[in-house]
Amino acid sequence: KAGVTQTPRYLIKTRGQQVTLSCSPISGHRSVSWYQQTPGQGLQFLFEYFSETQRNKGNFPGRFSGRQFSNSRSEMNVSTLELGDSALYLCASSLGAGEAEAFFGQGTRLTVV
Amino acid sequence: QKEVEQNSGPLSVPEGAIASLNCTYSDRVSQSFFWYRQYSGKSPELIMSIYSNGDKEDGRFTAQLNKASQYVSLLIRDSQPSDSATYLCAVRGGSYIPTFGRGTSLIVHP
Repeated sequence: KAGVTQTPRYLIKTRGQQVTLSCSPISGHRSVSWYQQTPGQGLQFLFEYFSETQRNKGNFPGRFSGRQFSNSRSEMNVSTLELGDSALYLCASSLGAGEAEAFFGQGTRLTVV
Repeated sequence: QKEVEQNSGPLSVPEGAIASLNCTYSDRVSQSFFWYRQYSGKSPELIMSIYSNGDKEDGRFTAQLNKASQYVSLLIRDSQPSDSATYLCAVRGGSYIPTFGRGTSLIVHP
């Protein structure tokens, strides 16, 4: 059974640019959550999508947005990148919304220069 | 502000010993509690979940929950060098938004 797939694995962007990250959940999983992990702040919840609808949102500015497609794949977009957006972005999938057990992808390492 | 607190460590234990990892949380209505293991450069991996007071055992791992004290712990018996990693405590409340602790670094030395 394939795990959670995130693309790309590594990304370097310039301040002010925008970026789109992709996540394909485990087959059959309908919920996708996104997290930002930094050494200073740890793992922080960005948002959760279920059945193409955003179910929950963490405390991040509106520059961070996402969407989910009918096949449960999800994308996360960050506009007007700032140096502080440099982080590991992790996607986690679970069977249902608010599901307790989530499985993480390998993450996308974003570096903003 | 919902908080989850963990000692950052590192916690160093000899091979074969019991490693005890602790976590406290501030949100009294928290319902679900999780322990994730994260190896350096890898993504978190769920190792235990616990929902009611008491102990839950899975192999060498035991999770303990005390909601009155707002405390959850993870015991690793017969610790192995391969257990060396950062252990993240996560708490999910009624809003279903999970809050993670900063993690405790565990080092198991031969």
